[in-house]
Amino acid sequence: DAGITQSPRHKVTETGTPVTLRCHQTENHRYMYWYRQDPGHGLRLIHYSYGVKDTDKGEVSDGYSVSRSKTEDFLLTLESATSSQTSVYFCAISGGLAGGRTDTQYFGPGTRLTVL
Amino acid sequence: GESVGLHLPTLSVQEGDNSIINCAYSNSASDYFIWYKQESGKGPQFIIDIRSNMDKRQGQRVTVLLNKTVKHLSLQIAATQPGDSAVYFCAENADSWGKLQFGAGTQVVVTP
Repeated sequence: DAGITQSPRHKVTETGTPVTLRCHQTENHRYMYWYRQDPGHGLRLIHYSYGVKDTDKGEVSDGYSVSRSKTEDFLLTLESATSSQTSVYFCAISGGLAGGRTDTQYFGPGTRLTVL
Repeated sequence: GESVGLHLPTLSVQEGDNSIINCAYSNSASDYFIWYKQESGKGPQFIIDIRSNMDKRQGQRVTVLLNKTVKHLSLQIAATQPGDSAVYFCAENADSWGKLQFGAGTQVVVTP
């Protein structure tokens, strides 16, 4: 593994409650990403970060917010969880734009979230 | 919009045979492609990548071929082993922020 941990690894929560997932890296990579993976949809980008305090939306960002106050941590928050947010969430990191070109993304082990 | 897709959702391969997993992409501006392997309950694992200035790249038991003329990418696995059973994703990048677009995945099943 590329020095990426996610916590918690499993979580069950109730509809309407806030949930925060944490991604922690030890690689000092600049770029961090949050994806969700659902059957029939593959991996879809939720939000990404290109530096401390620099974040942007992905293709499925509604209902999610992120924060990155330190290089090593990227937090994903569901302000008010809904059943449609039941999914497996993956964090990824990338050195980004090495030599002016895109770098490989490395993935964490995932968090399985169930919203009842 | 642009998309990355896989031709076969499931590939059954006999142990010891070679596997070929195909991927079509539609964004001609994509300049970087990656293959990932995902085992059940785990995150995607990087296998091999290729940039658009190349048409072939080899790793350990794996080869990626890129045909830009027909926008086609393939992953070849030599002497497939039971440990190769997994879902394989191709991904393309055409974005300066490093965002990847993933295909739906191909399930590879290795039979004895």
